[in-house]
Amino acid sequence: DAKTTQPPSMDCAEGRAANLPCNHSTISGNEYVYWYRQIHSQGPQYIIHGLKNNETNEMASLIITEDRKSSTLILPHATLRDTAVYYCIVRRYSGAGSYQLTFGKGTKLSVIP
Amino acid sequence: EAQVTQNPRYLITVTGKKLTVTCSQNMNHEYMSWYRQDPGLGLRQIYYSMNVEVTDKGDVPEGYKVSRKEKRNFPLILESPSPNQTSLYFCASYARRGSYNEQFFGPGTRLTVL
Repeated sequence: DAKTTQPPSMDCAEGRAANLPCNHSTISGNEYVYWYRQIHSQGPQYIIHGLKNNETNEMASLIITEDRKSSTLILPHATLRDTAVYYCIVRRYSGAGSYQLTFGKGTKLSVIP
Repeated sequence: EAQVTQNPRYLITVTGKKLTVTCSQNMNHEYMSWYRQDPGLGLRQIYYSMNVEVTDKGDVPEGYKVSRKEKRNFPLILESPSPNQTSLYFCASYARRGSYNEQFFGPGTRLTVL
């Protein structure tokens, strides 16, 4: 299984861009990178996913390096409500059309006023 | 509103007393999962289900049972709870749509076993 490595914590000033890195050097060619976040003890929330092209949606942008060994989640204008634990996940195929997400420890992002 | 609901949200029980945590989704999703979350260990998958009557073990299935008799419901059963099952539990569901597997999570159930 492709494993991910993230820094345990990061700070970001309110209004600035938050750039959250993730290493996934053992990722396979057809495995997707997913990002979720968890605010306090609420259920995790989907943010974005990608395979090899950069992706953008209303929440964030995902930049994946050309060799796919790492990626960066970008929150363009962080607000206090973005304070959360952010999980970078490599989706793995578990057979019979089923895919599994293995959550690691994530990065705790603190947005500072 | 599309959602995953869990009940109860909070439960304190004693060792050995059977309990069930219910999970229901209104999105007609084929896939459902149960996770537990413990400090320092992140989210770990207990069981998952690919459709009605199809379930399989996740990473930490010991001490748990599940059933999937209807598409919308996926209860988690602890036949004889023990203190090491004290945890925060999340149910999730998602639809099978090619590369896109956004999982929708419930609000969580905080279980304490004394």
